[in-house]
Amino acid sequence: DAMVIQNPRYQVTQFGKPVTLSCSQTLNHNVMYWYQQKSSQAPKLLFHYYDKDFNNEADTPDNFQSRRPNTSFCFLDIRSPGLGDAAMYLCATSRDPTQGASTDTQYFGPGTRLTVL
Amino acid sequence: GNSVTQMEGPVTLSEEAFLTINCTYTATGYPSLFWYVQYPGEGLQLLLKATKADDKGSNKGFEATYRKETTSFHLEKGSVQVSDSAVYFCALSRLNRDDKIIFGKGTRLHILP
Repeated sequence: DAMVIQNPRYQVTQFGKPVTLSCSQTLNHNVMYWYQQKSSQAPKLLFHYYDKDFNNEADTPDNFQSRRPNTSFCFLDIRSPGLGDAAMYLCATSRDPTQGASTDTQYFGPGTRLTVL
Repeated sequence: GNSVTQMEGPVTLSEEAFLTINCTYTATGYPSLFWYVQYPGEGLQLLLKATKADDKGSNKGFEATYRKETTSFHLEKGSVQVSDSAVYFCALSRLNRDDKIIFGKGTRLHILP
């Protein structure tokens, strides 16, 4: 089945120790998104890639970076995690949303729960 | 700007009860409307979608109708099950590269056996 895969499902890191979360997709979608979701809240968009074109949200901290080496993979790097970065991180994909209402649905992975000690 | 407002939770119902979760939106033009469901410890799953006025999205016994005159997209199910316990997010999306999907705050649903 075509899908969005996130690894690992659970990640524990220490305060200030860099961590990388990964996302892969078999849907061949050209848009990939990273969201941060804290408990009992809606997902908050951090950034997205439109093909190789990187789009950062204005309020995303500089501590968060992303890489997309190819269509299938996207990485979220947290350079110096703080206690406030503990959250669920969700990856999502979509086709080109400008092509019509059949292509603007976002498909989510299962998420990576990050714990910062 | 675009926004989504959904009813505050948690909502607690007994099994086989009728469910309504209200959702209203503010947007220019003709957005697509979605309901996503999030089970404990999981990512979001698309539950249903509607793309134009009077469209009805349906899936797994859930339904929602795109009402442009009332700018609403209320989620309904005739008979809920314990397995429906989850958080439900209403969302909208515009067909614009620079517009992001807008989520409501989510409604937690508890179904008692």
